[in-house]
Amino acid sequence: RKEVEQDPGPFNVPEGATVAFNCTYSNSASQSFFWYRQDCRKEPKLLMSVYSSGNEDGRFTAQLNRASQYISLLIRDSKLSDSATYLCVVPQGGGSYIPTFGRGTSLIVHP
Amino acid sequence: ETGVTQTPRHLVMGMTNKKSLKCEQHLGHNAMYWYKQSAKKPLELMFVYSLEERVENNSVPSRFSPECPNSSHLFLHLHTLQPEDSALYLCASSLTGGETEAFFGQGTRLTVV
Repeated sequence: RKEVEQDPGPFNVPEGATVAFNCTYSNSASQSFFWYRQDCRKEPKLLMSVYSSGNEDGRFTAQLNRASQYISLLIRDSKLSDSATYLCVVPQGGGSYIPTFGRGTSLIVHP
Repeated sequence: ETGVTQTPRHLVMGMTNKKSLKCEQHLGHNAMYWYKQSAKKPLELMFVYSLEERVENNSVPSRFSPECPNSSHLFLHLHTLQPEDSALYLCASSLTGGETEAFFGQGTRLTVV
């Protein structure tokens, strides 16, 4: 199993739709998880941190399932501006944080 | 506004040139990273420095040479690059010893001709 795996994309959804991405990880010792957003030709920017079972910020909800070793990102009421690549990040753990990125999931929100 | 600054933002260099990329952070972080992102490919970790010591290399070719003189500065020295090395080079920093988020610079878009 790869260290961090994400849903293949692209996800092509209409405005207002609800969309969910999954990310599975192999390092059971990881304690914190992150979702980043990357716009075309730009640097990744932190979207949400997940330290316990989940986190919610407006239209965005991240959930963590430790037993199954996956995290999810739910986007409600999608906006055109949500179009981007969403990267799942899991530290390698063991006390030395090395951000390990998934391949990313591309989201396209259309009118 | 990002706390991680990379220069230059764009660089075009010939295969026989020597150039350096610079990264600077003022976030009080003690770990810094170089990533490479080629077109339509995922981020590839190149180098990790923790407390100014290199802790991971990831089998990067020797034509890429990192330098971390202090916890706020990170360099990537480039020499005799190949056209396939053209990519976006991203620097990031974080706190080490704890699982906290990494912050990225805006990247240097490198073209090797």
